[in-house]
Amino acid sequence: KAGVTQTPRYLIKTRGQQVTLSCSPISGHRSVSWYQQTPGQGLQFLFEYFSETQRNKGNFPGRFSGRQFSNSRSEMNVSTLELGDSALYLCASSPWTGATNEKLFFGSGTQLSVL
Amino acid sequence: GESVGLHLPTLSVQEGDNSIINCAYSNSASDYFIWYKQESGKGPQFIIDIRSNMDKRQGQRVTVLLNKTVKHLSLQIAATQPGDSAVYFCAENRNTGTASKLTFGTGTRLQVTL
Repeated sequence: KAGVTQTPRYLIKTRGQQVTLSCSPISGHRSVSWYQQTPGQGLQFLFEYFSETQRNKGNFPGRFSGRQFSNSRSEMNVSTLELGDSALYLCASSPWTGATNEKLFFGSGTQLSVL
Repeated sequence: GESVGLHLPTLSVQEGDNSIINCAYSNSASDYFIWYKQESGKGPQFIIDIRSNMDKRQGQRVTVLLNKTVKHLSLQIAATQPGDSAVYFCAENRNTGTASKLTFGTGTRLQVTL
């Protein structure tokens, strides 16, 4: 089974631009979560999607948004980029069986650099 | 603020020795804990997990201990190998009703010396 796939692997943008990142979950997984990873803040939860609906959201400004398609693939968008948005953006999927001990499977991430 | 924290940012261990990585959490409602390993250029990889109704769980060369009294979690790696060099994160599920929302610690870098 293929793992979680994220594209692109690296991205360089300038302040004020917007960016779209893509994530393909493991086949059969219906829940997709996004995390931002920075050296200073570590891994922080952005949002989670299930059945094309945002089910949970972290404490990030409205510039960060996402969506999920009917095939469970997900995209996240960051508008009006700021220097502080430079980070590794990680996507994780899980099968969502309803149990509270579900494991998350992570992709390798998209490294975003904002200049 | 961060409620899942790590005591040491970097741990240096000699090959063959045992490693112990610690983690503190503050939310007594957390009922599920996970340890992840992240190697350079990769996403976090699941190592081992433990439910709050357990004190100890063992895997292959790894053991997780949970002390709910002091809200402390530890990961023990036996006979540490060079391939164990990575950043290790603890994470907790605060039973929000959504299994996939985890709160991660800041991470401990494990360096294995020869």
